[in-house]
Amino acid sequence: QVQLQESGPGLVKPSETLSLTCAVSGYSISSDYYWGWIRQPPGKGLEWIVSIYHRGNTYYNPSLKSRVAISLDTSKNQFSLNLTSVTAADTAVYYCARRRANWDFDYWGQGTLVTVSS
Amino acid sequence: QSALTQPASVSGSPGQSITISCTGTSSDIGSYDYVSWYQQHPGKAPKLMIYDVTNRPSGVSNRFSGSKSGNTASLTISGLQAEDEGDYYCTSYTISSTLVFGGGTKLTVL
Repeated sequence: QVQLQESGPGLVKPSETLSLTCAVSGYSISSDYYWGWIRQPPGKGLEWIVSIYHRGNTYYNPSLKSRVAISLDTSKNQFSLNLTSVTAADTAVYYCARRRANWDFDYWGQGTLVTVSS
Repeated sequence: QSALTQPASVSGSPGQSITISCTGTSSDIGSYDYVSWYQQHPGKAPKLMIYDVTNRPSGVSNRFSGSKSGNTASLTISGLQAEDEGDYYCTSYTISSTLVFGGGTKLTVL
């Protein structure tokens, strides 16, 4: 059974960098599949942020590309998200998920709320 | 990239059928069969219900079905049940090798 779990600070100050990690169990991220992040501002809809292939190819939401970085840590079987220069508009529940080649997400983490506030 | 267009809300009585539309463009839905649908209950992560326009993952009820015509995809739920109440989102792959979500539809079971 594939399981994903997000972790990271729940509060980030404006202009700083939001950093989250997604620990994966039940499947080796170096074997196959894509891995990605999706966010959901409170009371609003879902927004795709970024995806990375196990071989390193990355795909970005154009509206966030200049501020986003994603990386894999195969030794710890986890992947990470960095979002720089955050503002209140980046306040959201952040989900990590496994993405298939046909661009659907079949396994999701429970989500973690990140609030941007001073 | 612009979000796909979904109705803000739909409703139906138990046992009835409802359809949620998802309208995109020739740069996304109109050009690819990589359309998916997700169900989300309050405070929970989304759950994949339909992928590749018409396919159901293992364990998803056959009351859920998907289709596509031109630039519009649709999700139909037949035999509506109280547990179907929640938010539904469509997604599509785009010509720019990105993914776009719909704005979401709130389904109310009366």
